[in-house]
Amino acid sequence: DAGITQSPRHKVTETGTPVTLRCHQTENHRYMYWYRQDPGHGLRLIHYSYGVKDTDKGEVSDGYSVSRSKTEDFLLTLESATSSQTSVYFCAISESVRGGQPQHFGDGTRLSIL
Amino acid sequence: TQLLEQSPQFLSIQEGENLTVYCNSSSVFSSLQWYRQEPGEGPVLLVTVVTGGEVKKLKRLTFQFGDARKDSSLHITAAQPGDTGLYLCAGDQGAQKLVFGQGTRLTINP
Repeated sequence: DAGITQSPRHKVTETGTPVTLRCHQTENHRYMYWYRQDPGHGLRLIHYSYGVKDTDKGEVSDGYSVSRSKTEDFLLTLESATSSQTSVYFCAISESVRGGQPQHFGDGTRLSIL
Repeated sequence: TQLLEQSPQFLSIQEGENLTVYCNSSSVFSSLQWYRQEPGEGPVLLVTVVTGGEVKKLKRLTFQFGDARKDSSLHITAAQPGDTGLYLCAGDQGAQKLVFGQGTRLTINP
């Protein structure tokens, strides 16, 4: 299994509080991704990174920010959490997606915003 | 609007039956991947198809990429309870990002 660790695995917090989720990889892969998974929507890309300090927005980036100061760590921050951000969040890594290279996923963080 | 439409979204069948899951789009993809996800875990890659018309087999699972590279199908022969899970297709548009379908939740009853 690819070495991907997401933390925390579960979190319950209140509306309006900041939340940071961490993704740590031991594979030295260049690309890292944050997705959210909601019923009926599959996986939707929030932000991704193509190198240290190089990030870009995905299709559902509003209300989220990311940082990547080291190859192995990709942080997702909800600046002021809202109930609509209750979801399961997955981190993924990839050497490349050219030529159909796979993405390897962590086991997810279940986040509940009350 | 979902770029990749999967159908059906839910499927419950008896052990030993055959089934097909479809993944359709109006967009062309340079490749298409199928993932399987179990509860409490992240998706795991099953197969990647790259060439239009390509067929790949993985034991009882057969994957096909459409000739125009806009659609794909997953066929399972003689389904087993161990095939139960969420199946996701994902298309690569060549921008270092994948776009996922909404998933097909498959239940195989003993």
